[in-house]
Amino acid sequence: GAGVSQTPSNKVTEKGKYVELRCDPISGHTALYWYRQSLGQGPEFLIYFQGTGAADDSGLPNDRFFAVRPEGSVSTLKIQRTERGDSAVYLCASSPTGGGNQPQHFGDGTRLSIL
Amino acid sequence: GESVGLHLPTLSVQEGDNSIINCAYSNSASDYFIWYKQESGKGPQFIIDIRSNMDKRQGQRVTVLLNKTVKHLSLQIAATQPGDSAVYFCAESYSGTYKYIFGTGTRLKVLA
Repeated sequence: GAGVSQTPSNKVTEKGKYVELRCDPISGHTALYWYRQSLGQGPEFLIYFQGTGAADDSGLPNDRFFAVRPEGSVSTLKIQRTERGDSAVYLCASSPTGGGNQPQHFGDGTRLSIL
Repeated sequence: GESVGLHLPTLSVQEGDNSIINCAYSNSASDYFIWYKQESGKGPQFIIDIRSNMDKRQGQRVTVLLNKTVKHLSLQIAATQPGDSAVYFCAESYSGTYKYIFGTGTRLKVLA
């Protein structure tokens, strides 16, 4: 069966540009999560969606970061005016329902490099 | 491919031996714990989880132990195989939240 799919797998862009990262969760999973992973560290939470709404966006580092999930399935993480410090692997995960106490299933991430 | 972590603690074990990977968690209110395996260039892969009302849980070749008194979690891998080589992360969460807090990973190297 299909797992969490993220595209593109790699993205290289220049400082100041706008990027969009896409996540296609496991079919039927209502909960979707975005994390960011820097080299040598564990993933850090960014935002959680339950259905179409962002239930918790407390991990977004600043207002340059925004995410949407308009139909409750695919989600897009958007980064405006990218900075070199945004370079990282952006991971998406999904779970059947929200509420914790259940495994989150991760995609292979998008490796974002800001030159 | 690019390594998941270049400066992580490393555990080297002989193929066929048992491995024990340790993790200290931070929040005494955490009630759900999970172990992930991450290979280079891949996302974290679920291994096993445990709730705080348990102190041990077994899976296929893996066992997770939870000691709430000292906020310690361990992952035991029996008969370690070359395919077990990866970075291992523990994560915690607590009721009412949905985000995982990941610990510092450990790189497991299996020696032939």
